[in-house]
Amino acid sequence: AQKITQTQPGMFVQEKEAVTLDCTYDTSDQSYGLFWYKQPSSGEMIFLIYQGSYDEQNATEGRYSLNFQKARKSANLVISASQLGDSAMYFCAMRPTVSNFGNEKLTFGTGTRLTIIP
Amino acid sequence: DGGITQSPKYLFRKEGQNVTLSCEQNLNHDAMYWYRQDPGQGLRLIYYSQIVNDFQKGDIAEGYSVSREKKESFPLTVTSAQKNPTAFYLCASSPGQIEQFFGPGTRLTVL
Repeated sequence: AQKITQTQPGMFVQEKEAVTLDCTYDTSDQSYGLFWYKQPSSGEMIFLIYQGSYDEQNATEGRYSLNFQKARKSANLVISASQLGDSAMYFCAMRPTVSNFGNEKLTFGTGTRLTIIP
Repeated sequence: DGGITQSPKYLFRKEGQNVTLSCEQNLNHDAMYWYRQDPGQGLRLIYYSQIVNDFQKGDIAEGYSVSREKKESFPLTVTSAQKNPTAFYLCASSPGQIEQFFGPGTRLTVL
């Protein structure tokens, strides 16, 4: 079984500052993928970034980077130079990457509500 | 434009009624998923389908049913057996490689 833990229910950050959203995980799988999704108030889930468990370098996508520490089982999302439009719920998720039939379901954490203050 | 559509956006149901939520995708993805989200919670998997005419139960399948007669469509029926159906329902699809793409969601309220 897989489990994702996000311990920060809410965060307030000043505009233009960097912010780190915490995510720890637990799994018995050797090969897995970690994801971050953004959910604005409209409700849709927007994919932000992906990290494979065997990727040697931390993933980056524009202002988003994933601080992956495999030994500590953490996959924190870092947003640089935060903007007002970054205010949203953020979810960490994971799934096994072994391509067995029916093995690609995502397990989500409970999310962190990020509010950017002007 | 390619994407996932869900309808309706808002749905109201009386107790004891079955309702069907629509999910359509034109991304040519094989896999499709249904998730439920409750306030302040993450997403929980209801059902998923890897190919046409086949689907698997997720973590909270009781009180729900699905069909996958076409690659593009994966409707979810919320039956009267679902005791607490008020929630936000999200449909997703995936080419089976890395990310899942989500639709805009349907908010179901039981009156």
